[in-house]
Amino acid sequence: NAGVTQTPKFQVLKTGQSMTLQCAQDMNHNSMYWYRQDPGMGLRLIYYSASEGTTDKGEVPNGYNVSRLNKREFSLRLESAAPSQTSVYFCASRADLVNDEQYFGPGTRLTVT
Amino acid sequence: SQQGEEDPQALSIQEGENATMNCSYKTSINNLQWYRQNSGRGLVHLILIRSNEREKHSGRLRVTLDTSKKSSSLLITASRAADTASYFCATAGGFYNQGGKLIFGQGTELSVKP
Repeated sequence: NAGVTQTPKFQVLKTGQSMTLQCAQDMNHNSMYWYRQDPGMGLRLIYYSASEGTTDKGEVPNGYNVSRLNKREFSLRLESAAPSQTSVYFCASRADLVNDEQYFGPGTRLTVT
Repeated sequence: SQQGEEDPQALSIQEGENATMNCSYKTSINNLQWYRQNSGRGLVHLILIRSNEREKHSGRLRVTLDTSKKSSSLLITASRAADTASYFCATAGGFYNQGGKLIFGQGTELSVKP
């Protein structure tokens, strides 16, 4: 099993460009999450999907949109990138309420110039 | 807003010594989890302690939870150079925490010198 995979690993965008970060998990997990990690800030939740067909805002959703394409895939879209969105983005998944730990992907390092 | 505050922000010890990291949080929780992050990598789950538990062990890890003080500590015994990483606490909220959201602390950067 690959676990949680993310593409791309690195990306440089110019201000105003758009892009989609892809995430997939092969563990048949119900819930999926997108976080951003900035120096000294820990991880902050952008959006999450508690189950296939539902998405909800997290702590810092402005400037982002998400799609839960199916049970495996959860994508994050930046419609008009801004320098403040320079960050490392992590996708994670969780099995269910009993097995509460989250499994993380390797991250996407995004720079917006 | 960040739920957890971790202390210290950075810790440097010698191999074989014990490392203790502390986490404080603000609201009621269902459970508290600790994760490790090696440089440039994703987070890896280490241990979960539920709100009705006071202490939990896993290998060289010992976690305590004091819900009256809203604090937790992670102890790594007999540390190794391979333990060098950042360690994060994360809290899962109470009964109404739909979707199993976690709120992360800012992390403790541990350096274990051989």
